[in-house]
Amino acid sequence: GAVVSQHPSRVICKSGTSVKIECRSLDFQATTMFWYRQFPKQSLMLMATSNEGSKATYEQGVEKDKFLINHASLTLSTLTVTSAHPEDSSFYICSAYRSSYNEQFFGPGTRLTVL
Amino acid sequence: GENVGLHLPTLSVQEGDNSIINCAYSNSASDYFIWYKQESGKGPQFIIDIRSNMDKRQGQRVTVLLNKTVKHLSLQIAATQPGDSAVYFCAEIWRGGNKLVFGAGTILRVKS
Repeated sequence: GAVVSQHPSRVICKSGTSVKIECRSLDFQATTMFWYRQFPKQSLMLMATSNEGSKATYEQGVEKDKFLINHASLTLSTLTVTSAHPEDSSFYICSAYRSSYNEQFFGPGTRLTVL
Repeated sequence: GENVGLHLPTLSVQEGDNSIINCAYSNSASDYFIWYKQESGKGPQFIIDIRSNMDKRQGQRVTVLLNKTVKHLSLQIAATQPGDSAVYFCAEIWRGGNKLVFGAGTILRVKS
C-alpha cells in the first residue's frame, strides 16, 4: 500500500478569502496526483489532474483560475481555492498515482466550510 | 459511468447476511474496475479490483462480478458485519488512461 496525507483535515474560512490544501505522498513519489470534490451524499467528482513540473489538466466545468493547482515536487500537490464562496464548501479529496502499483491512493480528505 | 451527482441509494442488511451492491457503468471501453469503501469523513479505501478480461474475482469476504454484456458490476460481501457500514463506490478506468470515473455510490447500513 501507500500513505497519502492531506492538510488541513478541516478548515473554516470567510467568504472571499483563499484556502490552500496540501496533498502529500508520504512513502512514494507521485508524478501524477488527482483532486476530487465531493458534496454531501454524492459521489466523487474529478476536478483536475496534477502533473509534477507541468500545468494541471482541468475537467470540463472546473475553473482553473479559481482552483489553482501546483505540483512542485514528486511528493506534494497543493490546491488553492481562491476567493472562496459558500458554494465552494465541500469535501476535497486528493489521490496520488503510484505507477508501480498502477493504482491511486487516496488521502483522508479536507472538509472546507466557507461562511 | 459518469458521476451525475445523484443522491445515494441505501441498502440495509442484517448482520451476518450477505450483501450485494450493484453498479452500472456506461463506457464499454473501460478495462479496469475498482470497488471503494468510504467511511464518513474519510477518503475512499480500496476493496477489490477486476480487469475486463475477467468476470469474477474473489477476495477476503468480498467478490466482484463483472458482466460486460450489460455493463454491470457487483460487489458481494459475505457475512456482513457492522464495520462494513459505509458508502461503496464502483469506479472505472477507460482503456489507456489512469483517470477514475466514479459511480453514484450506495450506502450500506448493517443492522445488529
